[in-house]
Amino acid sequence: DVKVTQSSRYLVKRTGEKVFLECVQDMDHENMFWYRQDPGLGLRLIYFSYDVKMKEKGDIPEGYSVSREKKERFSLILESASTNQTSMYLCASSLENRGLGTEAFFGQGTRLTVV
Amino acid sequence: QKEVEQNSGPLSVPEGAIASLNCTYSDRVSQSFFWYRQYSGKSPELIMSIYSNGDKEDGRFTAQLNKASQYVSLLIRDSQPSDSATYLCAVRVTGNQFYFGTGTSLTVIP
Repeated sequence: DVKVTQSSRYLVKRTGEKVFLECVQDMDHENMFWYRQDPGLGLRLIYFSYDVKMKEKGDIPEGYSVSREKKERFSLILESASTNQTSMYLCASSLENRGLGTEAFFGQGTRLTVV
Repeated sequence: QKEVEQNSGPLSVPEGAIASLNCTYSDRVSQSFFWYRQYSGKSPELIMSIYSNGDKEDGRFTAQLNKASQYVSLLIRDSQPSDSATYLCAVRVTGNQFYFGTGTSLTVIP
């Protein structure tokens, strides 16, 4: 079974703090993604990575950065947390797009509250 | 224009009925199509994938794809209260990104 594991299920942080969200996958997937999900807005892509040390901005990268030092691990960093970053954060991984069988697998999500 | 569009619902059906969920997409080079189910407070889980025109059945679920009309649908037969969730349509184009719809909320009434 593919497993994508996020380091925290719930997190409460203060405004201005630097926040690290960690994600690990165990299926040797090339691609990893960070999304945030807000009511009525669906899943919005923050960043994705298609290889170690490679990253691409998604639709809403402002206020975030990422790190991928090892293939299995993709970290999302909130440089200075703000209340508008309160959200559900979802990590996903997938094989490189070779056509069939390349769905995204999601971690359990991190509910982040910034106070 | 959004890449993937779904009716947000909510959609309510009685237990035992057929629930029909629809999705349209804008990118003509879309290759792979997925339906995810997401329970409240949980992460999305894959329930169906479809890659070629026509129908694909898996138990009570049938995915239908019409690439000419840029349309993909999910039918849930014999709907159960446990099917109550938000259903996300996702499309993968050439390249490595996925595009998700905003989801359709389904409630199955006992």
